[in-house]
Amino acid sequence: DIQLTQSPSSLSASVGDRVTITCRASRTLANYLNWYQHRPGTAPNLLIYTTSTLQKGVPSRFSGSGSGTDFTLTINNLQPEDFATYYCQQSYTTPYTFGPGTTVDIK
Amino acid sequence: EVQLLESGGGLVQPGGSLRLSCVASGFTFRNHGMNWVRQAPGKGLEWVSVISGSGGIIFYADSVKGRFTISRDDSKNTLYLQMNSLTAEDTAVYYCAKGGENYGDFESWGQGTLVTVSA
Repeated sequence: DIQLTQSPSSLSASVGDRVTITCRASRTLANYLNWYQHRPGTAPNLLIYTTSTLQKGVPSRFSGSGSGTDFTLTINNLQPEDFATYYCQQSYTTPYTFGPGTTVDIK
Repeated sequence: EVQLLESGGGLVQPGGSLRLSCVASGFTFRNHGMNWVRQAPGKGLEWVSVISGSGGIIFYADSVKGRFTISRDDSKNTLYLQMNSLTAEDTAVYYCAKGGENYGDFESWGQGTLVTVSA
């Protein structure tokens, strides 16, 4: 199975900040790496797929980059609704696997 | 607008069975792969199973293989998850998720249904 690690596991930030979350895979993913936002009590939401493609309706302050085994989610100009847990996920092969999550909370 | 509505969760005893349903609307259901993803209390997301649009391709996580069965009824726009031999480790919120061009891109999610396995 492909293992995903994320760093940091949590971070505190302020509205307007730029936030960067990294995801590392145990093997190359051919860019089949996705990012989700999950707020408690709600359904997870796909933000970015295939490393850098913004899902329809997702604000442009979210961006993704990377290749091979190392990937990054960047949130520019952090907004109040962005405080949530973020997961990376590989869709390269089954079993599809998620990273452990990064919680972004208010400083 | 894509809508996915799960049902069928509840409290079940260890060793028991439960069938989850997910009714889809707002897209051509038969053309899309569908997934089940779960989240145990205080834990992260865990993919459970996928079924292709044709139903001919099915995969499971090792943790549920041999106990869970995914299926679909395209005439009813409904996805199912039959869960047998349940253990406490299966306690979670279960989400159905619509696949994209790649089945494993979870484009849309339902609100989830809670399954609690406890005596």
